[in-house]
Formats: sequence, structure tokens, C-alpha cells
Amino acid sequence: DTEVTQTPKHLVMGMTNKKSLKCEQHMGHRAMYWYKQKAKKPPELMFVYSYEKLSINESVPSRFSPECPNSSLLNLHLHALQPEDSALYLCASSEGARGYTFGSGTRLTVV
Amino acid sequence: GQNIDQPTEMTATEGAIVQINCTYQTSGFNGLFWYQQHAGEAPTFLSYNVLDGLEEKGRFSSFLSRSKGYSYLLLKELQMKDSASYLCAVRSSGAGSYQLTFGKGTKLSVIP
Repeated sequence: DTEVTQTPKHLVMGMTNKKSLKCEQHMGHRAMYWYKQKAKKPPELMFVYSYEKLSINESVPSRFSPECPNSSLLNLHLHALQPEDSALYLCASSEGARGYTFGSGTRLTVV
Repeated sequence: GQNIDQPTEMTATEGAIVQINCTYQTSGFNGLFWYQQHAGEAPTFLSYNVLDGLEEKGRFSSFLSRSKGYSYLLLKELQMKDSASYLCAVRSSGAGSYQLTFGKGTKLSVIP
């Protein structure tokens, strides 16, 4: 298995909703990442988990809450989002010096 | 901090060769990656350089000069399907983990 799987692929949520994005990989990668990508912009790093521990939080608002239940899973819990949070949310994983593998992303629309 | 620069847009003809340049300034350099991204899709890995020199992979080659903070991606025998954004990304190490930072991307349009 050489993939990073993200669910759901599309999500529409209201500003008062609570939802979660899920990411799963079975490549044994020890680092997992959340990126946010707005249209026509590069991916921006949000969080880094290394060995299931949060190692980098790029000043992301608390309405985004990451969770790493085990070495294969990464969640992003969403609460009270704003319309400007609408974007493509990408999960990635990596191991050592090898390249990052990205999931296909969750396209989030906040209404 | 990190600074990664690459051209915003390029246009090239089918069958031709195109070179996309990337310059960077970073601390804790730990490798440079090139990714291809089609609109609405996730980035896909193209190449990785950590030592100076040229890495060749089929129609794609990537070059790195660490002393100059410079890399390029070379695409040969361009095909229409190569129309995409090409992202230069620099990996840096610190705080016990790696961090990948992307440049703004170069939108390549391949024309007949």
C-alpha cells in the first residue's frame, strides 16, 4: 500500500457545525502533515506530527484541532469555521529522507 | 524564515524543452523537491535533490546547487498533459522533525 487516503473527498459545512477530516496511511511513515491550499496558491503547512506527537503548529486558529490516534491515522477536527476557511485540505506522510506522499485531499466549503 | 522564488507562469510548445527555475533561502536545508499539480488535484512527486548535481528520471530532470540556493526542473519532449503547476519545495530540519515549504508554483501551459 503506497497511498495516503483522505475522507471525505468533499465536505460542505455550516459555520456552527462540527466535522472531522480523516487521513490514513499504511506505509509505516512516522511523520504526517496537514496542509491547507487555497485556489491558485501553494500548499501551506498547518501541522506536523512526528511519532504521533505534534511537533509543529504553524499558528493555526484553535477552530482547527489535529489528532493522531495512532501511527497510521491523522484527523483534523473542525468547529466554528469561517467561509474563508474554504480550501483544499491535504494530508501527507513521509519517512526519513524519502519524498512526501500526498493524499488526494478534502475539498471543504464553509457556508 | 524561508524564501522560495519561481516564475509565476511559463508557456512552451508541445515537443519542446522547458526549464523551470527555483531559488531559495533557508536554514537547515535538507533537500529540494519538485511536485506537479493539476488543477483541483493533490501534488504528485516528481524529483528530489539533496546533493549538488543533476537527477534524471525519464523526461524530467532536476538540478541542484546548494551554494547558489538554486534548482531547476527540466522537462523534455513536452506533452499537452504536462500543462500543470510545478511546485518547488524545500525541506528543512528543526525541532526534531522535517518541514516542507512550497514555493508559489509555476503554471506551465503547453501549446500545440
